[in-house]
Amino acid sequence: GAVVSQHPSWVICKSGTSVKIECRSLDFQATTMFWYRQFPKQSLMLMATSNEGSKATYEQGVEKDKFLINHASLTLSTLTVTSAHPEDSSFYICSAEGQGSTDTQYFGPGTRLTVL
Amino acid sequence: GQQVMQIPQYQHVQEGEDFTTYCNSSTTLSNIQWYKQRPGGHPVFLIQLVKSGEVKKQKRLTFQFGEAKKNSSLHITATQTTDVGTYFCAGRWYSGGGADGLTFGKGTHLIIQP
Repeated sequence: GAVVSQHPSWVICKSGTSVKIECRSLDFQATTMFWYRQFPKQSLMLMATSNEGSKATYEQGVEKDKFLINHASLTLSTLTVTSAHPEDSSFYICSAEGQGSTDTQYFGPGTRLTVL
Repeated sequence: GQQVMQIPQYQHVQEGEDFTTYCNSSTTLSNIQWYKQRPGGHPVFLIQLVKSGEVKKQKRLTFQFGEAKKNSSLHITATQTTDVGTYFCAGRWYSGGGADGLTFGKGTHLIIQP
């Protein structure tokens, strides 16, 4: 099956710093990638939709200047959390949808961000 | 925005008992997907339902999509300890601009007592 990787798997940073998370589709080309956030014991919340070569579409309430998304190629999307604060601590998960897929999203293993 | 309601939030069952989780949308879905997430893990795709009234089976799991495409259920027969985890439904609607991301239900945490 299709494989999606994320890097890093976990990161701890100081408040005010920026953190970049990578999402890669390893064996297929992903025209669309999605970024989700999951707080402990809660459901996944869609943050933004990332299309290769175009600007990301952000969900209501998600600050685009704080969560920078770059989908530079058909296999890579990055999420940068700028000026991170403790309330940004969460589990960030990406998913990728392949070209000509049947709407199946393949999820990455997630990145656990802890902001001190 | 679009919402998917999922119940129950928690379900305790004895091993061998059946389990069902339900999802409901106030508006017609394009499709609904089901995922399983083990503690500390990431969501794993189980199945997608697209057609009105669709029923799909995967061994002991039965998935249903309502006739109006507004509700869905996942039923597990004779639960086993390996079934432990959180089951999420995720709905999808198509806007004029193309496919939207998934809207997840809150999930049902399945706890199995041996």
